[in-house]
Amino acid sequence: EPEVTQTPSHQVTQMGQEVILRCVPISNHLYFYWYRQILGQKVEFLVSFYNNEISEKSEIFDDQFSVERPDGSNFTLKIRSTKLEDSAMYFCASTNPGGSTDTQYFGPGTRLTVL
Amino acid sequence: AQTVTQSQPEMSVQEAETVTLSCTYDTSENNYYLFWYKQPPSRQMILVIRQEAYKQQNATENRFSVNFQKAAKSFSLKISDSQLGDTAMYFCAFPNNAGNNRKLIWGLGTSLAVNP
Repeated sequence: EPEVTQTPSHQVTQMGQEVILRCVPISNHLYFYWYRQILGQKVEFLVSFYNNEISEKSEIFDDQFSVERPDGSNFTLKIRSTKLEDSAMYFCASTNPGGSTDTQYFGPGTRLTVL
Repeated sequence: AQTVTQSQPEMSVQEAETVTLSCTYDTSENNYYLFWYKQPPSRQMILVIRQEAYKQQNATENRFSVNFQKAAKSFSLKISDSQLGDTAMYFCAFPNNAGNNRKLIWGLGTSLAVNP
């Protein structure tokens, strides 16, 4: 069964450093998402991406964040200058809204720790 | 605004017993999907079950079933014959259909502990 993959599983970085989180969505899916979950808190929407552009972004997704689909396969989230409060679990998800279930499938997540 | 409410922050159940997790939501949409996701200690987000709002029949997946009451906007999850591996956070969610974006709206989650 196709699945969403994410790398790395755990990223440790120093405050102020840039990080890139990588995702490979399910191949025939059209919508891609990043969510984050700070430990012990709710899941928060960051950004959605469709047709090679951002379709919606949340207030969290400020100028420090960017997304890219560089090669038609990978979907990346870049944080330019990490802050302590960026420490969280980051989930990538994909869906095919034209499909029959409208289900978002999640990757295993990347745990980002900012020191 | 579309919202999801899970009113039970924590629940516990004895192994082999049945437990029901509640979820209510608010939407002006008529056709939509509803989902329960499970997040075990590994923190991976795993789809448990989905319900299509236009279907009156409640969805079932093995030991997992839902009680979907569209008029009441209620979508509870029943776990039968609970197993130790069911210990996890459970999130209720549904897609925001505004602009065809379909970002998921999430509840705060219910932490379920299955006791031996």
